[in-house]
Amino acid sequence: GENVEQHPSTLSVQEGDSAVIKCTYSDSASNYFPWYKQELGKGPQLIIDIRSNVGEKKDQRIAVTLNKTAKHFSLHITETQPEDSAVYFCAASYNNNDMRFGAGTRLTVKP
Amino acid sequence: GAVVSQHPSRVICKSGTSVKIECRSLDFQATTMFWYRQFPKQSLMLMATSNEGSKATYEQGVEKDKFLINHASLTLSTLTVTSAHPEDSSFYICSARVTGLSGPGFRGYTFGSGTRLTVV
Repeated sequence: GENVEQHPSTLSVQEGDSAVIKCTYSDSASNYFPWYKQELGKGPQLIIDIRSNVGEKKDQRIAVTLNKTAKHFSLHITETQPEDSAVYFCAASYNNNDMRFGAGTRLTVKP
Repeated sequence: GAVVSQHPSRVICKSGTSVKIECRSLDFQATTMFWYRQFPKQSLMLMATSNEGSKATYEQGVEKDKFLINHASLTLSTLTVTSAHPEDSSFYICSARVTGLSGPGFRGYTFGSGTRLTVV
C-alpha cells in the first residue's frame, strides 16, 4: 500500500520568511495530492491540492510542486504570518480512494 | 459548499458504555466516507471506509465489532464505539469524498471538525 513520508516534523520560521514542507510517496499510481492545515482541536482543512497531470499549482501565498519521477511533492508558503502556525499534513491517494497521510509538520511562525 | 457536520465535538463516557459519532454531509451526497483516528501529536490513521448501502471496509488491526460503522443514507454515516475503554480515548474524524457539487466528478475530500472521546 501507499506510504507517505513528511519532513520536517517541526519547522519554526520568522514572520515574513518562507516555509517549505516536503513529502515523498511510495505508490507510483497515486494521482491526487492534497495538503491540509489542522489547528488544535479541529479537523483538517484543505488548503491546496494537485493532481498528477500538473507539476505546480499556486494559490496566493501557497504553492505546491509535484515531481512524479522522484515521487515527491512540496508545500511552499511565502510571506508567512503568525496565523499560518498550525500542523500541516500532506496526503496521497489513487483514483480518489482512501488517502494516506504524512506524519505532519508543526509550523510555528514567530512574530 | 462541501460541508461535513460532525457531532458531538466532545464526549466523555464511562468505561463499558457505547458512544455514537455522527457525520452528515450538508450540501452534497457522500457516497463514501472515511473514518480516522488521531492520537495527540500524531497523524491521521485510517480506520475504515464506508460506502452508502454496503458494509464498511476496515483497515488491518481495526476491530469491526468494536467500531461499528453505518452508512445508511447518502448524507449520514455513524461510528459507534462499543464497550469503550480508556485506550479508546482519542480524536475521531470523518471525511467525505465530494462529488457533483457544481458538476459531475471528483471535487476533493472534506473533513468533519472531529470528536474528542474521553473514556473514564
